Amino acid sequence: QVQLQESGPGLVKPSETLSLTCTVSGGSISSYYWSWIRQPPGKGLEWIGYIHYSGRTNYNPSLRSRVTISVDTSKNQFSLKLSSVTAADTAVYFCATLSYDSGSYYNDYWGQGTLVSVSS
Amino acid sequence: SYELTQPPSVSVSPGQTATITCSGDKLGNKYACWYQQKPGQSPVLVIYQDTKRPSGIPERFSGSNSGNTATLTISGTQAMDEADYYCQAWDSTIGVFGGGTKLTVL
Repeated sequence: QVQLQESGPGLVKPSETLSLTCTVSGGSISSYYWSWIRQPPGKGLEWIGYIHYSGRTNYNPSLRSRVTISVDTSKNQFSLKLSSVTAADTAVYFCATLSYDSGSYYNDYWGQGTLVSVSS
Repeated sequence: SYELTQPPSVSVSPGQTATITCSGDKLGNKYACWYQQKPGQSPVLVIYQDTKRPSGIPERFSGSNSGNTATLTISGTQAMDEADYYCQAWDSTIGVFGGGTKLTVL
């Protein structure tokens, strides 16, 4: 079974860049698409974007100008960078697998999530 | 942008059937999936491709999708089913989540 683990700083200053890495174990990163999803404290889920192991990406239009998702197949990792952060970017950030089947996408395995706070 | 609307809360008595809806324009023409999230935990996929249950998800969870509404049904609801539930669909290649529904079992 695939397992995912997010890692990165828990505190980022306003206007700086948030950087997180998701390490995949129990499966190859060349087998799935890979997603980032976030959840502000006490609020709902927000889709950030996904990457295919080939490097093809797709981002939430509301974040597209600030988001970059990349993949490192040699390390079985994928990463998220979010630039020019503000307090509104404070959230638990989840990485997840994104499976595709007959026109249907779904996130079947999730990491435990990591809280990133934006504060000076 | 595409939007999915869920009721903020649903209450059900133990053993009864809980129904959670997710509404969006022509949602029946897209595939919907559902996630369960308990406090302090990561979401868990409970329904995908409108009606399919992942391995390990109890048979009491079922889904449907037609017209503008996708529905998650929990038959014989148990106390352990109390959680937040989120629907998700895809507008072309853009993922969209509903706002979430808090299911209370009382």
